[in-house]
Amino acid sequence: EPEVTQTPSHQVTQMGQEVILRCVPISNHLYFYWYRQILGQKVEFLVSFYNNEISEKSEIFDDQFSVERPDGSNFTLKIRSTKLEDSAMYFCASSPGPMDTEAFFGQGTRLTVV
Amino acid sequence: AQRVTQPEKLLSVFKGAPVELKCNYSYSGSPELFWYVQYSRQRLQLLLRHISRESIKGFTADLNKGETSFHLKKPFAQEEDSAMYYCALSSSMDTGRRALTFGSGTRLQVQP
Repeated sequence: EPEVTQTPSHQVTQMGQEVILRCVPISNHLYFYWYRQILGQKVEFLVSFYNNEISEKSEIFDDQFSVERPDGSNFTLKIRSTKLEDSAMYFCASSPGPMDTEAFFGQGTRLTVV
Repeated sequence: AQRVTQPEKLLSVFKGAPVELKCNYSYSGSPELFWYVQYSRQRLQLLLRHISRESIKGFTADLNKGETSFHLKKPFAQEEDSAMYYCALSSSMDTGRRALTFGSGTRLQVQP
């Protein structure tokens, strides 16, 4: 069964450094998402991406964040200058198309900012 | 603004007992509601959603617009049901926006 794949599973970075989290969505899916979950808190929506552009973003998704689909398979989340409060589990998800809103999640990348 | 509330952080039941995981929402339009489950060390996966009205793994959930609830039920819990359960809401039916708003999750522990 096809799955959303995220790499790395755990990333440790120093405060102020740039970090790129990578995702390979399910191949025939058209919508891509990033969510995050700070330890002990809710899963929060960051951004959705469709047709090579951002379709929705939350208040969390400020200028420090960007997303890209650099080729036909990868979908990346970049945090430009990480802060301690960016430490969280980041989930990538994808969904098939306009008529199907079911989101398929990756296993997550744990980001630790030190 | 939309909000999802799961009042119980932990629900512990014995095998064979009925289970009800509570979910209440706040949204003024027509919500699309989901239950996601996360088994230990696994990814979030969709369990069921109200528009399909399916029963998955013996679980059912009915949307009650009057009470703004979407409680998850199972008549006889199994040990393999032990997991974290998240209720989520989307406003896609009204707005086309697909972002999910999640509740804080309930850990279900089924004891032998």
